Amino acid sequence: DSGVTQTPKHLITATGQRVTLRCSPRSGDLSVYWYQQSLDQGLQFLIQYYNGEERAKGNILERFSAQQFPDLHSELNLSSLELGDSALYFCASSVGLAGVYEQYFGPGTRLTVT
Amino acid sequence: GENVEQHPSTLSVQEGDSAVIKCTYSDSASNYFPWYKQELGKGPQLIIDIRSNVGEKKDQRIAVTLNKTAKHFSLHITETQPEDSAVYFCAVFTGGGNKLTFGTGTQLKVEL
Repeated sequence: DSGVTQTPKHLITATGQRVTLRCSPRSGDLSVYWYQQSLDQGLQFLIQYYNGEERAKGNILERFSAQQFPDLHSELNLSSLELGDSALYFCASSVGLAGVYEQYFGPGTRLTVT
Repeated sequence: GENVEQHPSTLSVQEGDSAVIKCTYSDSASNYFPWYKQELGKGPQLIIDIRSNVGEKKDQRIAVTLNKTAKHFSLHITETQPEDSAVYFCAVFTGGGNKLTFGTGTQLKVEL
């Protein structure tokens, strides 16, 4: 158990809908990262927050957004969902910024868009 | 951006044998190289990492070697056991992008 928690574990929704994925980092970790894992794209970095501020952006679609709250938990919002958004979404956390500290991953949320 | 290539994509070994997975990267500024193990239905688990100022690191049956000149690093698993069966990912951190770039994964199967 990495100490990173994610809810929900599974999510099934229809195209065009909006969902929110939640992540709680390990105790003491200030950075939160979101990744998407699909069969054809592998593990892709989406976005990073450090102590409430956005610090890095990857290949995140405009339909996706995230935020980190004062208690350091983070939410990833996915809107106008398409079939191709079906994937595993992972949250990871680290004490500081990546490259200095290790990233620990949560168990993931499996999103299925029908 | 950073490009990470990982080989092989699948690897089958007999229990007790060694397994080696290799990754190459493109950005010479990369300075942190972790390896993750992902079991079915679980998130990636950090198993070992190495920083750019070190050439080799060992942790029991697992070791990682780094060749910065050639821009490649490898994961070595000795005395493999069935519980080592999983997908292994290498990753590279480049400070400028402040993110990890992952390889495409290696499905390791340890056969009895």
